[in-house]
Amino acid sequence: QQQVKQSPQSLIVQKGGISIINCAYENTAFDYFPWYQQFPGKGPALLIAIRPDVSEKKEGRFTISFNKSAKQFSLHIMDSQPGDSATYFCAAGYTGGGNKLTFGTGTQLKVEL
Amino acid sequence: DTAVSQTPKYLVTQMGNDKSIKCEQNLGHDTMYWYKQDSKKFLKIMFSYNNKELIINETVPNRFSPKSPDKAHLNLHINSLELGDSAVYFCASRRGGASYNSPLHFGNGTRLTVT
Repeated sequence: QQQVKQSPQSLIVQKGGISIINCAYENTAFDYFPWYQQFPGKGPALLIAIRPDVSEKKEGRFTISFNKSAKQFSLHIMDSQPGDSATYFCAAGYTGGGNKLTFGTGTQLKVEL
Repeated sequence: DTAVSQTPKYLVTQMGNDKSIKCEQNLGHDTMYWYKQDSKKFLKIMFSYNNKELIINETVPNRFSPKSPDKAHLNLHINSLELGDSAVYFCASRRGGASYNSPLHFGNGTRLTVT
């Protein structure tokens, strides 16, 4: 019940295209859903996060869509750029979760020219 | 002005050795973590300390022992290293005690290779 399933494992998108990464969870207690971005040789860094009281959150070219009934959330990267090439992790947390996040398995995104 | 710094960046050692990884954060955060990232990039929490007190201890072999001398430092000591310990180890911190929804700040990792 603590798992967060992430897909696809890897993704290749052309420059200017839309990158979409999906995550699904089982534990309905989760109430915080962040996305982290990791560049090679670096630690993950928070990209954007959403609470389940909204269905969408947008920050620049990055949008989280959240479907509470389906227990799914996704990251959309509009106008994808080569500089977006990185590994993306979804995660989930909740108040009784012991001060920790459960991470998805990661998606390696490559944006080609 | 590095926020979360880990040393060393690379660590190559032989099976059976004992090694330590150090972590320091200058963000004034109360909570610190150790994560392990395997070759498939999967991130798994190992330990968490809040104000020097152990609050999360996942299913980790007792060869791994964290130590927090103060709330700005969290070190990881590993005894009797095994091949399967090869991974990238990340230190992270966040503000607050139970603030699961405040951003995690990660260091740049320590790549441990056991031969």
